[in-house]
Amino acid sequence: DGGITQSPKYLFRKEGQNVTLSCEQNLNHDAMYWYRQDPGQGLRLIYYSQIVNDFQKGDIAEGYSVSREKKESFPLTVTSAQKNPTAFYLCASSQSGPGRNTIYFGEGSWLTVV
Amino acid sequence: DQQVKQNSPSLSVQEGRISILNCDYTNSMFDYFLWYKKYPAEGPTFLISISSIKDKNEDGRFTVFLNKSAKHLSLHIVPSQPGDSAVYFCAARPPGGKLIFGQGTELSVKP
Repeated sequence: DGGITQSPKYLFRKEGQNVTLSCEQNLNHDAMYWYRQDPGQGLRLIYYSQIVNDFQKGDIAEGYSVSREKKESFPLTVTSAQKNPTAFYLCASSQSGPGRNTIYFGEGSWLTVV
Repeated sequence: DQQVKQNSPSLSVQEGRISILNCDYTNSMFDYFLWYKKYPAEGPTFLISISSIKDKNEDGRFTVFLNKSAKHLSLHIVPSQPGDSAVYFCAARPPGGKLIFGQGTELSVKP
């Protein structure tokens, strides 16, 4: 089945540790995205990538890093510099280029700092 | 600056009645609008979309209306069912730009 797979579903991090959230898609989409959801704040864009080996900062990129070495994969690293990392993280993908391209989401990953 | 706003954080509707979820936007350059539905601890799922050249799009029980002069978008669900209880996000995109999401409205459909 085609889709977007995020792992792990639940992750606990100690203060000062970096953690990496995995995102894989087999939809042959060019563009991939990472969003963060906090209560009452909707979905905020962290990073996005329109093409392999290229990515841009979103609205809240500080304390995060990404890579896009393969079309199918867009891992997100939450670094110790992120002051409030506890949140629900959503990976998404879409076709790229002109047109009304709908974004499709993965199931999400819960990150909790302990 | 919130370019896409859902001013009602929650809405409660009786089963079988109409649910109307509203969304306002500020950027007149937006040309594509979408609604997503999200259950707790799951990713949002795409529901319905509309381009700025239309004022209505219908898909089964779901209809989206676009009023460009008022910069207002609404989603109508008729008839509402308990399984429709979820958080609904509207989103908008300028040509070639990124999707911008509203804060979400939590719909509760009571039997």
